[in-house]
Amino acid sequence: DAGVIQSPRHEVTEMGQEVTLRCKPISGHNSLFWYRQTMMRGLELLIYFNNNVPIDDSGMPEDRFSAKMPNASFSTLKIQPSEPRDSAVYFCASRAGTGRDTEAFFGQGTRLTVV
Amino acid sequence: DAKTTQPPSMDCAEGRAANLPCNHSTISGNEYVYWYRQIHSQGPQYIIHGLKNNETNEMASLIITEDRKSSTLILPHATLRDTAVYYCIVRVPDPGYGNKLVFGAGTILRVKS
Repeated sequence: DAGVIQSPRHEVTEMGQEVTLRCKPISGHNSLFWYRQTMMRGLELLIYFNNNVPIDDSGMPEDRFSAKMPNASFSTLKIQPSEPRDSAVYFCASRAGTGRDTEAFFGQGTRLTVV
Repeated sequence: DAKTTQPPSMDCAEGRAANLPCNHSTISGNEYVYWYRQIHSQGPQYIIHGLKNNETNEMASLIITEDRKSSTLILPHATLRDTAVYYCIVRVPDPGYGNKLVFGAGTILRVKS
């Protein structure tokens, strides 16, 4: 398996534009997580899904952020409109969430810069 | 999930053992201790986890005290490539408990030649 795949790896956009980050989890994994990492706040959990259903979105900073998981092999995190303070590295992770001894696998991240 | 406390940074000489402590004094009986690390510019990587017995795998060893209030991650022969941020996380590995993986500030381990 190629692991968790995120795209794009880098994104530079202007303030006010819509940004869509994409994630393909590992096949067979039924839990998916979106994280944001900045120097100031560290690694923050934004939202996670179990079996394509959003379980906890309490970490989503505001209504400008939305996440979807239309099927087991794809998820998106959308920011509309984007702001400079959204600049961060966004990680997606997946896990086979039904077992006790399961680890989370992370993608390489998307580095977002909003200017 | 129980709160963990880790030193902000540590140094280790290349080839020596790196011992990274973690305090989790409020851990409950069904919570496991997990360790992840994040090498610069990469996503976090799972290392090891345990409940109460000591654990060892190809990457590291995990020593959990008998009262489970603290643990130590041991990298037996640290290399320069082990320079990373190491996160200690305590959680219940059961989807019924929310399935979250919440990261703290971690310990920056610098391995020096």
